Amino acid sequence: GAVVSQHPSWVICKSGTSVKIECRSLDFQATTMFWYRQFPKQSLMLMATSNEGSKATYEQGVEKDKFLINHASLTLSTLTVTSAHPEDSSFYICSAAALAGGQETQYFGPGTRLLVL
Amino acid sequence: DAKTTQPPSMDCAEGRAANLPCNHSTISGNEYVYWYRQIHSQGPQYIIHGLKNNETNEMASLIITEDRKSSTLILPHATLRDTAVYYCINADSSYKLIFGSGTRLLVRP
Repeated sequence: GAVVSQHPSWVICKSGTSVKIECRSLDFQATTMFWYRQFPKQSLMLMATSNEGSKATYEQGVEKDKFLINHASLTLSTLTVTSAHPEDSSFYICSAAALAGGQETQYFGPGTRLLVL
Repeated sequence: DAKTTQPPSMDCAEGRAANLPCNHSTISGNEYVYWYRQIHSQGPQYIIHGLKNNETNEMASLIITEDRKSSTLILPHATLRDTAVYYCINADSSYKLIFGSGTRLLVRP
């Protein structure tokens, strides 16, 4: 149980284009989903917290107009990187919160590798 | 910033127990201890979590000291597939996970 998928697993795009990444909880409903990114040889950095039906909460330094998050249902959240630039190239990972051992626990997707040329 | 301290790297022999320590001296009363691992180029994998009692599941055991200022993750019989970066994280009910640098565990054949 508690499986999270991401699509696509990797994407290459031209500078200036927008890229949408989907995150789905396959066997549970998640009221809260999270988006992280990870640069090479660094740890995961939380970008935003997304709750179903409401606006996402962004971490300090993350531009909400550049990284659009939509959490339309209890099983789907999307991250759109708008007007992508080479510095946005990174590993984007989502997670979804589910109850485990009486405590909400985050389960992570496999990640999406974005390369902006 | 991460609120936990872990050794940057460790190694152990295949088939032996791997004991990964973590210091969380500033943990507050409502914070849980979570352990995740990340195998190269994959998303993190949940391992185990606990509040104050020791916990065990099919993957590992978690030993939390009585004062809750440190914990140890135990992989009882490490395999080559357990080679990964292991993260120890304190989190409260907000579920916000702050990842530190973790411990890079290398399991030797």
